[in-house]
Amino acid sequence: GAGVSQTPSNKVTEKGKYVELRCDPISGHTALYWYRQSLGQGPEFLIYFQGTGAADDSGLPNDRFFAVRPEGSVSTLKIQRTERGDSAMYLCASSLNRVTNSPLHFGNGTRLTVT
Amino acid sequence: GNSVTQMEGPVTLSEEAFLTINCTYTATGYPSLFWYVQYPGEGLQLLLKATKADDKGSNKGFEATYRKETTSFHLEKGSVQVSDSAVYFCALSAEAGGTSYGKLTFGQGTILTVHP
Repeated sequence: GAGVSQTPSNKVTEKGKYVELRCDPISGHTALYWYRQSLGQGPEFLIYFQGTGAADDSGLPNDRFFAVRPEGSVSTLKIQRTERGDSAMYLCASSLNRVTNSPLHFGNGTRLTVT
Repeated sequence: GNSVTQMEGPVTLSEEAFLTINCTYTATGYPSLFWYVQYPGEGLQLLLKATKADDKGSNKGFEATYRKETTSFHLEKGSVQVSDSAVYFCALSAEAGGTSYGKLTFGQGTILTVHP
C-alpha cells in the first residue's frame, strides 16, 4: 500500500522567504509527527498531532515554525522568514495510534536548502 | 532529558563479518528502545524494538537486547551482507502505552559499509 508521502522532495529558497512542506500520512493513521534532521545527525522531534490537534509542539525551535493538520489527515509544516540555519531534511511520520505500540512509518523527507 | 549515544562511525566491514554497533541511553522511567535503518535513497524504517528490560528485539538477522543495568541496546549481526550497507539509528521513546510513545529521541547515526 501507499506509504507516507512528502512533497516536494527538494526545496530551495532564499533567506527570508516563506515555505510550506506537505505530508500525506498513511490512510487511517491518526498520529502524525514532524522531525528535522541536520546533516550527520539523527532526526530531532518537532511536533506531533493526534487527529487535528497539535498534542505536543515542544520541539518547534521558535515561532517562525508552525504546523497544521486541519482535517486530521494531510499536514503542512510552515516556516516563515527562513534562515540559512533552517536548511535540513524535514521528515514526516505517521502511526496508527500514538498510545499503542504501533510503529512509526517515515516518509522520504523534504530536503530544504535556504540560500 | 532523554539522550541516546551511538558509537561513532563510519564502520566498514567485509561480507560475513560480525557487526556490533553500540548504543547507550539516558532516560527516566522505562523507555522503549528502537533501531531504525535508512538505506540509500529510502526513508527511515523500523528495524527492531524492545519495550522492557531484558527483551530482545530481532529482525533480518539483527538482534539487540534491552539492558537496563547498563542502559544499553547494542545492535549485533553475526554475518553482514553487502545489502546491509545503510545508516543505523538507535532511538528511545517514553514507555509503551504512554502518551508520548511516538516522540523519539535519536542517536546521531552510524554509517555501515559492507564490502564484498
